[in-house]
Amino acid sequence: DGGITQSPKYLFRKEGQNVTLSCEQNLNHDAMYWYRQDPGQGLRLIYYSQIVNDFQKGDIAEGYSVSREKKESFPLTVTSAQKNPTAFYLCASSRQSSNQPQHFGDGTRLSIL
Amino acid sequence: GQQVMQIPQYQHVQEGEDFTTYCNSSTTLSNIQWYKQRPGGHPVFLIQLVKSGEVKKQKRLTFQFGEAKKNSSLHITATQTTDVGTYFCAVDTGNQFYFGTGTSLTVIP
Repeated sequence: DGGITQSPKYLFRKEGQNVTLSCEQNLNHDAMYWYRQDPGQGLRLIYYSQIVNDFQKGDIAEGYSVSREKKESFPLTVTSAQKNPTAFYLCASSRQSSNQPQHFGDGTRLSIL
Repeated sequence: GQQVMQIPQYQHVQEGEDFTTYCNSSTTLSNIQWYKQRPGGHPVFLIQLVKSGEVKKQKRLTFQFGEAKKNSSLHITATQTTDVGTYFCAVDTGNQFYFGTGTSLTVIP
């Protein structure tokens, strides 16, 4: 079955530590996205990529970094510069053209120790 | 960035009652999408509206795009416990998506 796989499901970070969240898709989608969701709130865009080796900042990119070396993969690193990283992180993908639905992974829940 | 306001934030209904959530924008939208997120789950695409005044139905769900393409609504007739979750509207600007804040629906059996 085609889909998006995020790992791990739960992640704990120590103060001052960088952590990387994995996102892999086998839908052959060009565009991939990372969102942050806080309790009772909507989704806020962190980074997005419309093509391999290219990515753009979303509304809340500070303290995060990404790479897009392969079409299938779009890992997100939460750096120590992100002072409030506790949240639910969702990865999504879509076809390149506009008016296409987004397909989401199951998410990674990040907590601070 | 694109501002998309969604109301209400929370809604509690008795099973069998109807439910409506509204999405509003200050600018004209090219399209609008609706997603449902079950508790503990991830958003799942429901539908996309593109045309002015467009109305689409999925069983008990009715989606509408305003004539001016600045607002949209999702109406559920005779809610069931399976309708529980948060409903989001989302706008595709061609470069990125902007999600509304969502309406959390609780259905009381």
